[in-house]
Amino acid sequence: DQQVKQNSPSLSVQEGRISILNCDYTNSMFDYFLWYKKYPAEGPTFLISISSIKDKNEDGRFTVFLNKSAKHLSLHIVPSQPGDSAVYFCAASATGGGADGLTFGKGTHLIIQP
Amino acid sequence: DAEITQSPRHKITETGRQVTLACHQTWNHNNMFWYRQDLGHGLRLIHYSYGVQDTNKGEVSDGYSVSRSNTEDLPLTLESAASSQTSVYFCASSESWVSEAFFGQGTRLTVV
Repeated sequence: DQQVKQNSPSLSVQEGRISILNCDYTNSMFDYFLWYKKYPAEGPTFLISISSIKDKNEDGRFTVFLNKSAKHLSLHIVPSQPGDSAVYFCAASATGGGADGLTFGKGTHLIIQP
Repeated sequence: DAEITQSPRHKITETGRQVTLACHQTWNHNNMFWYRQDLGHGLRLIHYSYGVQDTNKGEVSDGYSVSRSNTEDLPLTLESAASSQTSVYFCASSESWVSEAFFGQGTRLTVV
């Protein structure tokens, strides 16, 4: 049973517009959430994180929103740039136990069109 | 600069052979992980370790083993390689459960 779900395998957005990537989770023990970005032939790199005690975290063009009641988080990229084209993975961990390591979603391939 | 390195970057092996993938980190992180990435499955956890002499099974641990004899290294061994283990393998390390994990560049393993 998939505990972290990214239901959109791909997303195409025009350069300069907002990109919104979504992630849902089922394990109520998850209390720390991260987004990773991955280019082909490279390892994933950390982008931004959020603790369950917050509902928003911002870092430059990247903002992550957490809705605990809906078990949903989203990553907003504003404005989208060509270098943002990559696969984005949502990940979650249970710092108090209840899950192993970091659990990842299947990823969303973001394509920024000129 | 601290880093995490995997070797080899590419490996082709035959079915039934034992294969070991190396992972070395210089951050002095206690937590280390091995994931595999397959199309349609994202990143799935194979094994992980919280520290020296500690190892734990992840979601897809069958056919794999790890050992942690020091802080820096977590080698992943495929006891008897199978075609289903053809994949890209990523090693990662983190300082704690509330910090990001740093990933290696990956090892592309092909079992023929």
